[in-house]
Amino acid sequence: GAVVSQHPSWVICKSGTSVKIECRSLDFQATTMFWYRQFPKQSLMLMATSNEGSKATYEQGVEKDKFLINHASLTLSTLTVTSAHPEDSSFYICSARDSISHGISGANVLTFGAGSRLTVL
Amino acid sequence: AQKITQTQPGMFVQEKEAVTLDCTYDTSDQSYGLFWYKQPSSGEMIFLIYQGSYDEQNATEGRYSLNFQKARKSANLVISASQLGDSAMYFCAMREGLNAGNMLTFGGGTRLMVKP
Repeated sequence: GAVVSQHPSWVICKSGTSVKIECRSLDFQATTMFWYRQFPKQSLMLMATSNEGSKATYEQGVEKDKFLINHASLTLSTLTVTSAHPEDSSFYICSARDSISHGISGANVLTFGAGSRLTVL
Repeated sequence: AQKITQTQPGMFVQEKEAVTLDCTYDTSDQSYGLFWYKQPSSGEMIFLIYQGSYDEQNATEGRYSLNFQKARKSANLVISASQLGDSAMYFCAMREGLNAGNMLTFGGGTRLMVKP
């Protein structure tokens, strides 16, 4: 089945530094990847839709300059949290769909990475 | 208005019994898909079951079944013969339209705890 790899799983950084999180589709190509954010004991909130070869589409309230998304290839999207602050501490999860080989069937399932837990001190 | 509502923040169930997790949704689209995901404490999101808006039969996947009541806009998850390993967060999600590029919107989740 489709596998999405997310790295790193855990990261602790100092306030003011930038952190890059990678999301890779290992055995399929993904023209679109989604980045979600999840605070403790809360649901997943979509941050942005990452489109291969073009600019990401950000949800309302998400700062595009704060959360830089790059989808440079069909198998890799990166999320960079710039100048991280403690309030950015969260669980970040990427997801992708094998929309090329499986077409646009509504049953096409979104596969999630294992998530990246960011703690900003 | 919330697109996906899960009214049960937490549920207990005795091992080997069945449990129903509630999910209601709100959409004006005729074409949509409904999903259930399980999130154990490790954080990964595990796909459980899918129901398309045009599917006439309720979806089933092993011990999981989806009680789809279109007129009521509900898509409850039924887990039969609960196991200790079923203890986790469960999220209901919806994709509006049938385009695979459309995003998923998640409900608030239900924490299921299976008692031995």
